[in-house]
Amino acid sequence: SQTIHQWPATLVQPVGSPLSLECTVEGTSNPNLYWYRQAAGRGLQLLFYSVGIGQISSEVPQNLSASRPQDRQFILSSKKLLLSDSGFYLCAWRGVGTAADEKLFFGSGTQLSVL
Amino acid sequence: GENVEQHPSTLSVQEGDSAVIKCTYSDSASNYFPWYKQELGKRPQLIIDIRSNVGEKKDQRIAVTLNKTAKHFSLHITETQPEDSAVYFCAASKDTGFQKLVFGTGTRLLVSP
Repeated sequence: SQTIHQWPATLVQPVGSPLSLECTVEGTSNPNLYWYRQAAGRGLQLLFYSVGIGQISSEVPQNLSASRPQDRQFILSSKKLLLSDSGFYLCAWRGVGTAADEKLFFGSGTQLSVL
Repeated sequence: GENVEQHPSTLSVQEGDSAVIKCTYSDSASNYFPWYKQELGKRPQLIIDIRSNVGEKKDQRIAVTLNKTAKHFSLHITETQPEDSAVYFCAASKDTGFQKLVFGTGTRLLVSP
């Protein structure tokens, strides 16, 4: 069965520090991968998505970047964090192919606090 | 692009009552409509989904209905229990080369014993 791993679960970082969040998926090949952000008490904002290695699309202009160095690895980064980068970051994956593959599954999330 | 609106933003019911959450979408080409439940501090979990070739789908105490003409879909929870308390998100997507889910803004459901 497919599983998605995301780490760390909690992160406290000072303003101006770098960021690296990692997500890996097991049990599937060539998944669509996503990074979402959720501000406290708010909805799910799509940040980046990827349909393949090295292919990244950005949904909103921001201080963050994403990379996909391997088929099942998705990384969210920042060179210098801002206070506004605080939030709950969720990695997600979705299969490609039949209608049964279209379900979106989320990782356990990273609660990022920028102080 | 697709826009999904969700109502109400908060919903309080007594245990045993029914709860209904409604969503509308803007893109008539959308054909996949999932619902997610998110408990505090946890990841959103898929609870039920429906495709546009089906008007209604049930899974025990939850059901989803879809009206393609009106471009709205609803989540129905019967015999609510305190453990149903959570934030519920609807979403919509269409079959294109890349399928991107657009989420509603969420409904906070509180079930009181």
